[in-house]
Amino acid sequence: DTGVSQDPRHKITKRGQNVTFRCDPISEHNRLYWYRQTLGQGPEFLTYFQNEAQLEKSRLLSDRFSAERPKGSFSTLEIQRTEQGDSAMYLCASSFMSLRAETQYFGPGTRLLVL
Amino acid sequence: KQEVTQIPAALSVPEGENLVLNCSFTDSAIYNLQWFRQDPGKGLTSLLLIQSSQREQTSGRLNASLDKSSGRSTLYIAASQPGDSATYLCAGFGDNYGQNFVFGPGTRLSVLP
Repeated sequence: DTGVSQDPRHKITKRGQNVTFRCDPISEHNRLYWYRQTLGQGPEFLTYFQNEAQLEKSRLLSDRFSAERPKGSFSTLEIQRTEQGDSAMYLCASSFMSLRAETQYFGPGTRLLVL
Repeated sequence: KQEVTQIPAALSVPEGENLVLNCSFTDSAIYNLQWFRQDPGKGLTSLLLIQSSQREQTSGRLNASLDKSSGRSTLYIAASQPGDSATYLCAGFGDNYGQNFVFGPGTRLSVLP
Protein backbone atom coordinates (compact mmCIF):
# COMPACT_ATOMS: atom_id res chain seq x y z
CA ASP A 1 0.00 0.00 0.00
CA THR A 2 1.44 3.35 -1.02
CA GLY A 3 -0.40 5.48 1.53
CA VAL A 4 -3.36 7.82 1.43
CA SER A 5 -4.28 9.14 -2.01
CA GLN A 6 -6.55 12.00 -3.00
CA ASP A 7 -8.10 12.94 -6.30
CA PRO A 8 -8.01 15.42 -7.90
CA ARG A 9 -4.89 17.19 -6.70
CA HIS A 10 -6.12 20.54 -8.00
CA LYS A 11 -9.58 21.85 -8.83
CA ILE A 12 -10.58 25.22 -10.23
CA THR A 13 -14.29 25.94 -10.35
CA LYS A 14 -16.66 28.84 -10.69
CA ARG A 15 -18.73 30.09 -7.80
CA GLY A 16 -22.01 28.21 -7.54
CA GLN A 17 -20.75 24.96 -9.04
CA ASN A 18 -20.62 21.67 -7.17
CA VAL A 19 -17.35 19.82 -6.63
CA THR A 20 -16.53 16.34 -5.32
CA PHE A 21 -13.24 15.11 -3.93
CA ARG A 22 -12.19 11.53 -3.32
CA CYS A 23 -9.92 10.03 -0.68
CA ASP A 24 -8.54 6.49 -0.65
CA PRO A 25 -7.15 5.65 2.80
CA ILE A 26 -4.58 3.06 3.78
CA SER A 27 -6.47 -0.19 3.38
CA GLU A 28 -6.45 -1.54 6.94
CA HIS A 29 -7.28 1.79 8.56
CA ASN A 30 -10.65 2.08 10.26
CA ARG A 31 -10.74 5.86 10.65
CA LEU A 32 -10.84 8.51 7.96
CA TYR A 33 -10.69 12.24 8.56
CA TRP A 34 -11.31 15.33 6.42
CA TYR A 35 -9.59 18.63 7.18
CA ARG A 36 -9.48 22.03 5.54
CA GLN A 37 -6.32 24.14 5.52
CA THR A 38 -5.95 27.76 4.48
CA LEU A 39 -2.67 29.54 3.86
CA GLY A 40 -0.54 30.00 6.96
CA GLN A 41 -2.86 27.99 9.19
CA GLY A 42 -2.91 24.46 10.51
CA PRO A 43 -5.54 22.02 9.28
CA GLU A 44 -9.06 22.47 10.70
CA PHE A 45 -11.12 19.38 11.41
CA LEU A 46 -14.24 18.93 9.28
CA THR A 47 -15.50 15.40 9.90
CA TYR A 48 -14.43 11.83 10.52
CA PHE A 49 -15.63 8.28 9.91
CA GLN A 50 -15.10 5.12 11.85
CA ASN A 51 -15.55 2.45 9.22
CA GLU A 52 -18.67 3.62 7.31
CA ALA A 53 -20.22 5.61 10.16
CA GLN A 54 -19.80 9.38 10.23
CA LEU A 55 -19.26 10.00 13.92
CA GLU A 56 -18.52 13.68 14.21
CA LYS A 57 -18.93 16.85 12.17
CA SER A 58 -17.42 20.24 12.85
CA ARG A 59 -19.49 23.40 12.93
CA LEU A 60 -17.31 24.40 9.97
CA LEU A 61 -19.17 21.81 7.91
CA SER A 62 -22.14 23.81 6.63
CA ASP A 63 -25.12 22.17 4.99
CA ARG A 64 -23.44 22.72 1.61
CA PHE A 65 -20.85 20.11 2.59
CA SER A 66 -21.52 16.40 2.65
CA ALA A 67 -19.18 13.48 3.16
CA GLU A 68 -19.70 9.78 2.66
CA ARG A 69 -17.77 6.59 3.18
CA PRO A 70 -20.22 4.06 1.77
CA LYS A 71 -18.37 0.81 2.31
CA GLY A 72 -15.90 1.85 4.93
CA SER A 73 -13.17 2.21 2.32
CA PHE A 74 -12.85 5.32 0.15
CA SER A 75 -14.59 8.56 1.04
CA THR A 76 -16.00 11.48 -0.92
CA LEU A 77 -16.43 15.09 0.13
CA GLU A 78 -18.91 17.14 -1.87
CA ILE A 79 -19.31 20.89 -1.74
CA GLN A 80 -22.49 22.24 -3.27
CA ARG A 81 -22.94 25.81 -4.53
CA THR A 82 -19.29 26.65 -3.95
CA GLU A 83 -18.33 30.06 -2.60
CA GLN A 84 -15.02 31.91 -2.86
CA GLY A 85 -14.51 31.31 0.86
CA ASP A 86 -14.37 27.57 0.16
CA SER A 87 -11.00 28.04 -1.55
CA ALA A 88 -8.52 26.01 0.51
CA MET A 89 -6.53 22.80 0.63
CA TYR A 90 -8.72 19.84 1.58
CA LEU A 91 -6.77 17.14 3.35
CA CYS A 92 -7.72 13.58 4.06
CA ALA A 93 -6.09 11.43 6.73
CA SER A 94 -6.54 7.86 7.87
CA SER A 95 -5.56 5.97 10.98
CA PHE A 96 -6.02 2.73 12.83
CA MET A 97 -7.48 3.51 16.21
CA SER A 98 -6.38 1.08 18.89
CA LEU A 99 -6.40 1.55 22.63
CA ARG A 100 -6.76 5.32 22.23
CA ALA A 101 -3.47 5.54 20.36
CA GLU A 102 -3.48 6.53 16.73
CA THR A 103 -1.10 8.00 14.20
CA GLN A 104 -2.76 9.89 11.39
CA TYR A 105 -1.39 9.52 7.88
CA PHE A 106 -2.21 12.31 5.49
CA GLY A 107 -2.81 12.38 1.77
CA PRO A 108 -1.30 15.04 -0.51
CA GLY A 109 -4.47 17.13 -0.45
CA THR A 110 -6.81 18.64 -3.02
CA ARG A 111 -6.29 22.33 -3.63
CA LEU A 112 -9.57 24.05 -4.48
CA LEU A 113 -9.82 27.48 -6.06
CA VAL A 114 -13.27 29.01 -6.45
CA LEU A 115 -13.38 31.91 -8.90
CA LYS B 1 -12.49 25.16 23.03
CA GLN B 2 -8.97 23.85 22.60
CA GLU B 3 -6.53 26.34 21.09
CA VAL B 4 -2.96 25.61 20.09
CA THR B 5 -0.09 28.08 19.89
CA GLN B 6 3.25 27.47 18.24
CA ILE B 7 6.27 29.62 18.92
CA PRO B 8 8.11 30.91 17.02
CA ALA B 9 5.96 31.41 13.93
CA ALA B 10 9.08 31.39 11.77
CA LEU B 11 12.71 30.55 12.36
CA SER B 12 15.82 30.83 10.23
CA VAL B 13 19.04 29.15 11.35
CA PRO B 14 22.40 28.25 9.80
CA GLU B 15 23.07 24.62 8.99
CA GLY B 16 24.33 22.54 11.91
CA GLU B 17 22.50 24.37 14.68
CA ASN B 18 20.36 22.62 17.26
CA LEU B 19 16.91 24.13 17.63
CA VAL B 20 13.71 23.87 19.65
CA LEU B 21 10.15 24.40 18.47
CA ASN B 22 7.40 25.01 21.00
CA CYS B 23 3.74 24.08 21.11
CA SER B 24 1.21 24.86 23.84
CA PHE B 25 -2.43 23.91 24.40
CA THR B 26 -5.04 25.86 26.36
CA ASP B 27 -6.61 22.59 27.54
CA SER B 28 -3.86 20.38 28.98
CA ALA B 29 -6.05 17.24 28.95
CA ILE B 30 -4.20 15.74 26.01
CA TYR B 31 -3.62 12.05 25.71
CA ASN B 32 -1.97 11.88 22.29
CA LEU B 33 0.27 14.45 20.66
CA GLN B 34 1.67 14.25 17.18
CA TRP B 35 4.27 16.35 15.38
CA PHE B 36 4.07 16.72 11.61
CA ARG B 37 6.17 18.19 8.85
CA GLN B 38 4.61 19.92 5.84
CA ASP B 39 6.49 20.91 2.72
CA PRO B 40 5.05 23.78 0.63
CA GLY B 41 1.87 22.77 -1.20
CA LYS B 42 2.02 19.22 0.13
CA GLY B 43 0.25 17.07 2.69
CA LEU B 44 1.51 16.37 6.20
CA THR B 45 4.14 13.80 7.10
CA SER B 46 4.00 12.30 10.57
CA LEU B 47 7.23 12.69 12.55
CA LEU B 48 6.54 11.57 16.10
CA LEU B 49 3.57 10.43 18.18
CA ILE B 50 3.58 10.73 21.97
CA GLN B 51 0.94 8.48 23.48
CA SER B 52 -0.81 8.97 26.79
CA SER B 53 1.61 6.78 28.73
CA GLN B 54 4.70 8.46 27.31
CA ARG B 55 6.54 11.70 27.93
CA GLU B 56 8.83 11.78 24.93
CA GLN B 57 9.70 10.11 21.66
CA THR B 58 12.87 10.08 19.61
CA SER B 59 13.50 9.41 15.95
CA GLY B 60 16.95 10.06 14.55
CA ARG B 61 17.81 13.71 15.06
CA LEU B 62 14.31 14.51 16.35
CA ASN B 63 13.12 14.40 19.94
CA ALA B 64 9.65 15.42 21.08
CA SER B 65 8.50 15.79 24.67
CA LEU B 66 5.15 16.47 26.28
CA ASP B 67 4.48 18.02 29.68
CA LYS B 68 0.84 17.19 30.34
CA SER B 69 0.65 19.26 33.50
CA SER B 70 1.29 22.43 31.53
CA GLY B 71 -0.03 21.33 28.13
CA ARG B 72 3.27 22.08 26.44
CA SER B 73 5.31 20.14 23.93
CA THR B 74 8.72 20.76 22.39
CA LEU B 75 10.31 19.39 19.25
CA TYR B 76 14.10 19.33 19.35
CA ILE B 77 16.02 19.07 16.08
CA ALA B 78 19.70 18.30 16.38
CA ALA B 79 22.35 19.26 13.83
CA SER B 80 19.86 20.90 11.47
CA GLN B 81 20.22 20.41 7.70
CA PRO B 82 18.84 22.38 4.72
CA GLY B 83 16.53 19.43 4.03
CA ASP B 84 14.83 20.09 7.36
CA SER B 85 13.37 23.31 5.92
CA ALA B 86 9.60 22.98 6.13
CA THR B 87 6.64 23.93 8.32
CA TYR B 88 6.34 21.93 11.53
CA LEU B 89 2.90 21.46 13.08
CA CYS B 90 1.84 19.96 16.37
CA ALA B 91 -1.57 18.40 16.93
CA GLY B 92 -3.23 17.24 20.13
CA PHE B 93 -5.95 14.66 20.67
CA GLY B 94 -7.91 14.72 23.93
CA ASP B 95 -11.08 13.80 25.67
CA ASN B 96 -12.45 17.29 26.03
CA TYR B 97 -12.70 18.38 22.42
CA GLY B 98 -14.06 15.54 20.40
CA GLN B 99 -12.52 12.62 18.63
CA ASN B 100 -10.19 14.62 16.43
CA PHE B 101 -6.82 16.30 16.41
CA VAL B 102 -6.54 20.05 17.00
CA PHE B 103 -3.64 21.59 15.11
CA GLY B 104 -1.39 24.52 15.79
CA PRO B 105 -0.65 27.06 13.03
CA GLY B 106 2.87 25.75 12.54
CA THR B 107 6.45 27.00 12.71
CA ARG B 108 8.06 27.75 9.37
CA LEU B 109 11.71 26.64 9.54
CA SER B 110 14.46 27.64 7.13
CA VAL B 111 17.88 26.05 7.49
CA LEU B 112 20.48 27.97 5.53
CA PRO B 113 23.44 26.14 3.95
